[in-house]
Amino acid sequence: EVQLVQSGAEVKKPGESLKISCKGSGYSFTSYWIGWVRQMPGKGLEWMGIINPGDSDTRYSPSFQGQVTMSADKTISTAYLQWSSLKASDTAMYYCARHCGRGISCYDYWGQGTLVTVSS
Amino acid sequence: IQLTQSPSSLSASVGDRVTITCRASQGISSYLAWYQQKPGKAPKLLIYAASTLQSEVPSRFSGSGSGTAFTLTISSLQPEDFATYYCQHLYSYPHTFGQGTKLEIK
Repeated sequence: EVQLVQSGAEVKKPGESLKISCKGSGYSFTSYWIGWVRQMPGKGLEWMGIINPGDSDTRYSPSFQGQVTMSADKTISTAYLQWSSLKASDTAMYYCARHCGRGISCYDYWGQGTLVTVSS
Repeated sequence: IQLTQSPSSLSASVGDRVTITCRASQGISSYLAWYQQKPGKAPKLLIYAASTLQSEVPSRFSGSGSGTAFTLTISSLQPEDFATYYCQHLYSYPHTFGQGTKLEIK
């Protein structure tokens, strides 16, 4: 069974750093790109970027370029999303999702989400 | 590439046929997916390649269109279909989402 399991909710202060994770199982982790999606409270979905866990090739949305860093450790089938200095406006739910691959364009499996709260 | 969904919200009754539209700011061929999201849950893939139904998604859902105009149709609304629906293009990076359509019970 394909699963993406994300790390738990985080409460941080502005200026702190954070790294959240997304662990894949039930499939070949390096064969499918992993995307990240932000959902601010009460708002819609925003595509942040995507990473190839096989070689760490990464594409960022211009809206998030320089604001976050995506990485992956293929030895433990885990993708990461990190911030070096959080802002209150980073408060949101963050989802990882598997790109369908094999010439099919979609995101077919999603993590359960990680809620990040940034507050002083 | 921007995606514009209409309407932003919609009230309908069980058994109704509903259609949601998604328009792209430029041609995206058939590189469009539709997702359903319920409160507190992750999005769920319904349709990809504009019209291909994802495995185990009920056949009352259908998608059509290509280029710049796309539709998601639910042929006969069921109680579990009341949710927010998003389109997403995958033609080029960034893979932008539409702003969402909230489907509510009338």
